[in-house]
Amino acid sequence: DGGITQSPKYLFRKEGQNVTLSCEQNLNHDAMYWYRQDPGQGLRLIYYSQIVNDFQKGDIAEGYSVSREKKESFPLTVTSAQKNPTAFYLCASSIGGTSGSHEQYFGPGTRLTVT
Amino acid sequence: QQQVKQSPQSLIVQKGGISIINCAYENTAFDYFPWYQQFPGKGPALLIAIRPDVSEKKEGRFTISFNKSAKQFSLHIMDSQPGDSATYFCAASILYNQGGKLIFGQGTELSVKP
Repeated sequence: DGGITQSPKYLFRKEGQNVTLSCEQNLNHDAMYWYRQDPGQGLRLIYYSQIVNDFQKGDIAEGYSVSREKKESFPLTVTSAQKNPTAFYLCASSIGGTSGSHEQYFGPGTRLTVT
Repeated sequence: QQQVKQSPQSLIVQKGGISIINCAYENTAFDYFPWYQQFPGKGPALLIAIRPDVSEKKEGRFTISFNKSAKQFSLHIMDSQPGDSATYFCAASILYNQGGKLIFGQGTELSVKP
């Protein structure tokens, strides 16, 4: 059963703690993305990766970090430097590459609450 | 210039009616315009997409109309059903550049009344 999995669905953390959100895909996609969604706003791109061991900052990368050590995995760390970390985080993937489709497929999301 | 502006923010339609959501963009380099549907607590799902070489694309009850000169595109949902109640996002990207990054509109919350 192919798709994108994100875990956990809900995550609670105390302010000042780093937290890592998991994203795994078994679609054999090259490109992966992390978005943040806040109420009443569209999705904003945090980081994206077009290939293993390479990633680029999106529009709101400050306070976040990522790694891409395996094709199927793209974890996101929300650091204590992120001023407003409470949000719904979405991971996506696409075939990518210079000739592949860039249709993005989304995971179910992780709702992070920091108090 | 990277923005995509979406309207209205919310929309209420009677069952059987036509729902229309509009988006406008500035960057003429955009060449891929998808629409996503999102139900509460779920990830967005690709609904329909269009390239700028066509003015209209239809899939079932969903139609994208594209006006290249006006830099606008819209989603029409015909015979709207209560099950269509969701948040809809338009987006734009440059397919073979910048990693296929999608720029999203702010979203439209559609409610279809029975």
